[in-house]
Amino acid sequence: DAGVTQSPTHLIKTRGQQVTLRCSPISGHKSVSWYQQVLGQGPQFIFQYYEKEERGRGNFPDRFSARQFPNYSSELNVNALLLGDSALYLCASSVRPGYGYTFGSGTRLTVV
Amino acid sequence: GENVEQHPSTLSVQEGDSAVIKCTYSDSASNYFPWYKQELGKGPQLIIDIRSNVGEKKDQRIAVTLNKTAKHFSLHITETQPEDSAVYFCAASNNAGGTSYGKLTFGQGTILTVHP
Repeated sequence: DAGVTQSPTHLIKTRGQQVTLRCSPISGHKSVSWYQQVLGQGPQFIFQYYEKEERGRGNFPDRFSARQFPNYSSELNVNALLLGDSALYLCASSVRPGYGYTFGSGTRLTVV
Repeated sequence: GENVEQHPSTLSVQEGDSAVIKCTYSDSASNYFPWYKQELGKGPQLIIDIRSNVGEKKDQRIAVTLNKTAKHFSLHITETQPEDSAVYFCAASNNAGGTSYGKLTFGQGTILTVHP
């Protein structure tokens, strides 16, 4: 079975630009969460979606937004990119929120 | 909000030795504690988890213990092998509901190196 799929794997953007990251959960998983992992640190929670509704939001500015589609895939959008947004963006899926999260390999975003 | 502290930040052991990583959490409402292994260029991989109604859980060479009173939990790896070398993260979440439902709060990570 396919795991959590994220695209693209790597991305380089210029300050001020906008970026969209994509995530396909494991088949049968209806919950998708997004995390930001800065080099040398643990992942930090950005958003959680379940059954296409936002169920949680972390301490990130409004430049960060996300949505979940009817097929349970998800997109994370970041506007007005800053140098500090450079990080590994991880998507995790689970059958339902709370337990057994499986992470994808992430999208490495570099802002120059 | 929840805060998770993880120690040590680096751990070096000889093959065959045991390794112990410890975490403390601040929110007494947290009730789910997973451990993740992250290898270079990959996302975190769930290796074991424990819920607050259980004090200890074991899976082959890996075990996790939880002390709810002291608000700390530990990962124990026995008979370590070079392929155990990776970054290990502990995490905590409150799955009882509320605005933090299902949100994982991670520790800072432990770089484990197992020397052959």
